[in-house]
Amino acid sequence: DAKTTQPPSMDCAEGRAANLPCNHSTISGNEYVYWYRQIHSQGPQYIIHGLKNNETNEMASLIITEDRKSSTLILPHATLRDTAVYYCIVRPSSGNTGKLIFGQGTTLQVKP
Amino acid sequence: EPEVTQTPSHQVTQMGQEVILRCVPISNHLYFYWYRQILGQKVEFLVSFYNNEISEKSEIFDDQFSVERPDGSNFTLKIRSTKLEDSAMYFCATRTGSDPNAFFGQGTRLTVV
Repeated sequence: DAKTTQPPSMDCAEGRAANLPCNHSTISGNEYVYWYRQIHSQGPQYIIHGLKNNETNEMASLIITEDRKSSTLILPHATLRDTAVYYCIVRPSSGNTGKLIFGQGTTLQVKP
Repeated sequence: EPEVTQTPSHQVTQMGQEVILRCVPISNHLYFYWYRQILGQKVEFLVSFYNNEISEKSEIFDDQFSVERPDGSNFTLKIRSTKLEDSAMYFCATRTGSDPNAFFGQGTRLTVV
């Protein structure tokens, strides 16, 4: 499984955009980038995923570089409830059981 | 919104006892997983289950662990003889066949004393 590298922690002011980076330089052509988050020991929650195009949903935007070696999760208007650990995970689109391999993630602290 | 339900939310057990953790998947989901998270550590994959059999398991998932769907709805994780180091949050996750996104339950906190 490809590995990801994320900063251990970040701060963001409430109402501002939170930009969470992830490096995945060994990603393979058939691997998607997934983002999950975990709020205070609750179950992880799916946020967004993408292959090579930028993606946007009601929660966030995902920007993937052209070479696919890194990506950025953007929370456009962070709220206090977005304080959580954010995990960037790469996973094949097929040929595996769908398991998720979590790293340490980035602890995002949204401050008032 | 449909959700994955886990029971109990917290279980305390004596070392050496058997425990069964239960999960009710979302109704049309076909793939089931167990993960655990030791306090302060990362979420770790334990096992995946599809079509009534284990499809993949990690090194953590040794002979002390087993999974089953006893009645076609509940999905259970059994630990035969608990050890102190089994103390952790255990998360069940499920997904459909076509949607790769996994939905996680709120977890069971297992404390072995």
